[in-house]
Amino acid sequence: GENVEQHPSTLSVQEGDSAVIKCTYSDSASNYFPWYKQELGKRPQLIIDIRSNVGEKKDQRIAVTLNKTAKHFSLHITETQPEDSAVYFCAASTGGGADGLTFGKGTHLIIQP
Amino acid sequence: SAVISQKPSRDICQRGTSLTIQCQVDSQVTMMFWYRQQPGQSLTLIATANQGSEATYESGFVIDKFPISRPNLTFSTLTVSNMSPEDSSIYLCSVDTVEQFFGPGTRLTVL
Repeated sequence: GENVEQHPSTLSVQEGDSAVIKCTYSDSASNYFPWYKQELGKRPQLIIDIRSNVGEKKDQRIAVTLNKTAKHFSLHITETQPEDSAVYFCAASTGGGADGLTFGKGTHLIIQP
Repeated sequence: SAVISQKPSRDICQRGTSLTIQCQVDSQVTMMFWYRQQPGQSLTLIATANQGSEATYESGFVIDKFPISRPNLTFSTLTVSNMSPEDSSIYLCSVDTVEQFFGPGTRLTVL
């Protein structure tokens, strides 16, 4: 089955700097790659996703890139703000969103004031 | 996006008992998914519930322990049977729309 590796497990950046979280996946059939943000005590919230026919997608300060050949995808957050502090999870699916997701272990992002 | 609700939001149960968690969606969906998030951990898919057929379980999860019902296109239940302290987790349901959204979760503590 699919295996998703996520790095780093903890990332501390200064407010205003950029943060990058990286994930690799094992199943070349995976075609849907969402990113979730989870604040303490809350449900995971979808923040951005990318499908295998696209190499990059951007939404304001958040961007995701996908390299299908290397089987890795990354989350980029620019101009970080204190409210960006949370745990971020990457995930992969073979069904374009209609199949269950395999999650990475998560990255605890800490924004230092 | 779909609006998903879950009941109960939390519960404390004794070992050996069972708890049924309900998931309700405000629109018809084909697939509903059940995930487990153990304390401080990531999410793990338990099973996929498709209306009108048996649920499909992931490796490490069995129907006797986690029976699932899917009586219609807007509702599903997950039962955690014969509970032990190791079952203490947050259980979340999700649905397949264009993107996957999660319900608020059920926080289960087993004593």
